[in-house]
Amino acid sequence: AQRVTQPEKLLSVFKGAPVELKCNYSYSGSPELFWYVQYSRQRLQLLLRHISRESIKGFTADLNKGETSFHLKKPFAQEEDSAMYYCALNSGGGADGLTFGKGTHLIIQP
Amino acid sequence: SQTIHQWPATLVQPVGSPLSLECTVEGTSNPNLYWYRQAAGRGLQLLFYSVGIGQISSEVPQNLSASRPQDRQFILSSKKLLLSDSGFYLCAWSGGRVTDTQYFGPGTRLTVL
Repeated sequence: AQRVTQPEKLLSVFKGAPVELKCNYSYSGSPELFWYVQYSRQRLQLLLRHISRESIKGFTADLNKGETSFHLKKPFAQEEDSAMYYCALNSGGGADGLTFGKGTHLIIQP
Repeated sequence: SQTIHQWPATLVQPVGSPLSLECTVEGTSNPNLYWYRQAAGRGLQLLFYSVGIGQISSEVPQNLSASRPQDRQFILSSKKLLLSDSGFYLCAWSGGRVTDTQYFGPGTRLTVL
């Protein structure tokens, strides 16, 4: 069975500092990985997905199959980045739902 | 554009009472639909998904059931609520491919007393 682990429940960094939110997954096949974000009083929404290989709001994430990781990174944190971040995996069943990690609450201090 | 609605936004129900949460999607046809739950201290857990009218798959055994009476309507129900059913319930839709984004509704906060 697939599993997604986000080891940090809470991460607090100062504005301008680099940010790395960790995500490790367990799945024997080739998964699709996503990062979802939920800002205060807003809906859960997609931030980025590994297949797109894009940078959204300065965030990037690289899928490392050897380490089974999909860490989210940003070189310079901004206060508006404060939010809950969820790493998620789709095992490729098509209609199957996402397997989420427990989330990391990111707080950017001024 | 596509939108997804959920109601009610919050609900407080006594133990043993029935439950009906509704989710509707606009602006798309034949979406895949999902129900997730976030309980205190836990991540989002997939409860049910549906690829079409009347087609429901359950991910975990539980006190809840789901139905899809219309293409863009997804209902979460219970005949008798338990304390452990308390949580934040999210409905989502997607286009169905494994790389498709899932779009989430605003959620329903359920408290069972």
